[in-house]
Amino acid sequence: QKEVEQNSGPLSVPEGAIASLNCTYSDRGSQSFFWYRQYSGKSPELIMFIYSNGDKEDGRFTAQLNKASQYVSLLIRDSQPSDSATYLCAVTAFGAGSYQLTFGKGTKLSVIP
Amino acid sequence: SQTIHQWPATLVQPVGSPLSLECTVEGTSNPNLYWYRQAAGRGLQLLFYSVGIGQISSEVPQNLSASRPQDRQFILSSKKLLLSDSGFYLCAWRRRSGGSGGGETQYFGPGTRLLVL
Repeated sequence: QKEVEQNSGPLSVPEGAIASLNCTYSDRGSQSFFWYRQYSGKSPELIMFIYSNGDKEDGRFTAQLNKASQYVSLLIRDSQPSDSATYLCAVTAFGAGSYQLTFGKGTKLSVIP
Repeated sequence: SQTIHQWPATLVQPVGSPLSLECTVEGTSNPNLYWYRQAAGRGLQLLFYSVGIGQISSEVPQNLSASRPQDRQFILSSKKLLLSDSGFYLCAWRRRSGGSGGGETQYFGPGTRLLVL
């Protein structure tokens, strides 16, 4: 069974610090990797995706992928209280005629003012 | 731009009652459509997905069913709700032609919060 593992947290960081969120996955056939942010009571919204080994930066967010170690991470620089949310890692693989996403249970991030 | 709608936003239903949740997508054609459930303390669970009108794939056995009567409409139903059906139901869409490299990105609707009593 395909699994995506995340530390459930909560992860607490002070405002202005770097928050580091980690995710491991079991399916070596996974091709693309996504980070979603979910505020309490709301639906997930896409932050960014990555599909090549290395780093991908988008504003204060950096996604890092290491396929050999089956590891993907999200760094949030200059963390703000508005970043407080649950962050979901998702990985995709092609099967049964469609790409499917498998989600981790999420890491709850709390940014302390 | 694309927009995805879900209704109702919240629903309280007694055990054994029927259910119908609706999802519609605007601004795109031939999307792949998905139904997920998020229960308290658990991750997102894929329930159904559809690659076209009348084409439904089920990921888990349960008392729920799905239908796609129109290209951009996806409906989740149940004849008799169970207490365990409570949760946050999310509809998502993806471009049909998307390949690897981010083309598989799924976009979520606002969700329906269901409480079965």
